[in-house]
Amino acid sequence: GENVEQHPSTLSVQEGDSAVIKCTYSDSASNYFPWYKQELGKRPQLIIDIRSNVGEKKDQRIAVTLNKTAKHFSLHITETQPEDSAVYFCAATRANFGNEKLTFGTGTRLTIIP
Amino acid sequence: GAVVSQHPSWVICKSGTSVKIECRSLDFQATTMFWYRQFPKQSLMLMATSNEGSKATYEQGVEKDKFLINHASLTLSTLTVTSAHPEDSSFYICSAGMDRPLNTEAFFGQGTRLTVV
Repeated sequence: GENVEQHPSTLSVQEGDSAVIKCTYSDSASNYFPWYKQELGKRPQLIIDIRSNVGEKKDQRIAVTLNKTAKHFSLHITETQPEDSAVYFCAATRANFGNEKLTFGTGTRLTIIP
Repeated sequence: GAVVSQHPSWVICKSGTSVKIECRSLDFQATTMFWYRQFPKQSLMLMATSNEGSKATYEQGVEKDKFLINHASLTLSTLTVTSAHPEDSSFYICSAGMDRPLNTEAFFGQGTRLTVV
């Protein structure tokens, strides 16, 4: 089955700086890679996702890059703000419909220092 | 986006009792729903895949007789934790996705925090 590794487990950055979180996956058939933000006691919220036919996707301060050959993908947050503090999870799945199970990374606790 | 509602959001039960958690897709039909468990400061671990009208598929190491799953309709899946013990205390989250091509987003319920005392 799929195995997703995520690094770092904790990350502290100064407000305004950039944060980068990296994930690797093992199943070359995986084709959908979402990133979730989870605040304490809340449900995961999708912040950005990317499909395997795309190398990069950007949404305002958030971007995701995918290297299929190396089987790794990264989340980039620029101009970080205190409200970006949360736990971030990457995930991978082979999915063409919305009914495929997700394999999650181990999570990164991001702290933005004011 | 689509809405998945989970109930209750928190529950405290005595050791040895059973607890039922409901997961509903409010504005779409889901033939498949997923149940995850999340221990403090850990990731979401898939417990089982709930299939409408058929038996659930459990992940390795998850006791099917302890975590009973019923998916009786296209909008409702239930997870029953039977004979709960303190080690079952955790955050349980369900998710569902639309059965449409290329519509791959998973929608999560708000989670249920189970505390067994």
